[in-house]
Amino acid sequence: DAGVIQSPRHEVTEMGQEVTLRCKPISGHDYLFWYRQTMMRGLELLIYFNNNVPIDDSGMPEDRFSAKMPNASFSTLKIQPSEPRDSAVYFCASSPRVAPTLETQYFGPGTRLLVL
Amino acid sequence: AQSVTQPDIHITVSEGASLELRCNYSYGATPYLFWYVQSPGQGLQLLLKYFSGDTLVQGIKGFEAEFKRSQSSFNLRKPSVHWSDAAEYFCAVGAGGGSQGNLIFGKGTKLSVKP
Repeated sequence: DAGVIQSPRHEVTEMGQEVTLRCKPISGHDYLFWYRQTMMRGLELLIYFNNNVPIDDSGMPEDRFSAKMPNASFSTLKIQPSEPRDSAVYFCASSPRVAPTLETQYFGPGTRLLVL
Repeated sequence: AQSVTQPDIHITVSEGASLELRCNYSYGATPYLFWYVQSPGQGLQLLLKYFSGDTLVQGIKGFEAEFKRSQSSFNLRKPSVHWSDAAEYFCAVGAGGGSQGNLIFGKGTKLSVKP
C-alpha cells in the first residue's frame, strides 16, 4: 500500500487566496483525520470523519476552514480566504475500521503551507 | 478529560547512551497508548502501541515502552541511541476507548544526539 497520500507537499500563497489541501487515505480505512502542526500549538486535531461523515469538527479554527470527504478515497481541507497565521504543516491521517486497531493512525507526509 | 503530558521539551544524549522519554496520561478507563516519531520535515511514524496484555511493548527501531498503570505512565526507552534517532517523539492516548478513533497527543519531546 502506498500509505496516506497528501498533495501538494508544499504550498506558498498570498493572503486572501483560497487554498485546497488534498488527502487520499489508505484503502479500507474508515476514519480520516486532519491535523495542523505549528511550533506554538503543537499538533492539533481539526476534524475527523467516519465513513465519509464528519464526526467532530470542534477543532476547526473558524469559518474560513472547511473540510469535505465526498468518497472513501478522497478528502479536502479548504481555507478561504487564507491568512498568514494559517501557515503550518497540515497532516492527514487514516485509521482502519476494527477496534481497537482503529485507534492506530497512519499519517501522511504533510503539506507545508506558507501564507505570505 | 483525557490528556497527555511529556515533561521534557528537549533532551540531548550521546550516541550509544541509553534513552528514556517520559509520558504521563490522564484517562478514566484503560487507555490505548502510542508513541510516534517525526523526523525533520517528515510525517509521523508509529513506533509502538499498547492496547492490552504485556505491559512491556516492543516497537520498531529498537524502541520499547512500559505501561505502568499505577504511575499513569508510558515511558519510551532505547538501550543505545543512534545518531539517526534524532527526531521529535510524540506520546498519544486513544480518547475513544476503541470506539471513536480519536487520539490526544502530547506536545512532543525533541531528541538531539551528540556524536
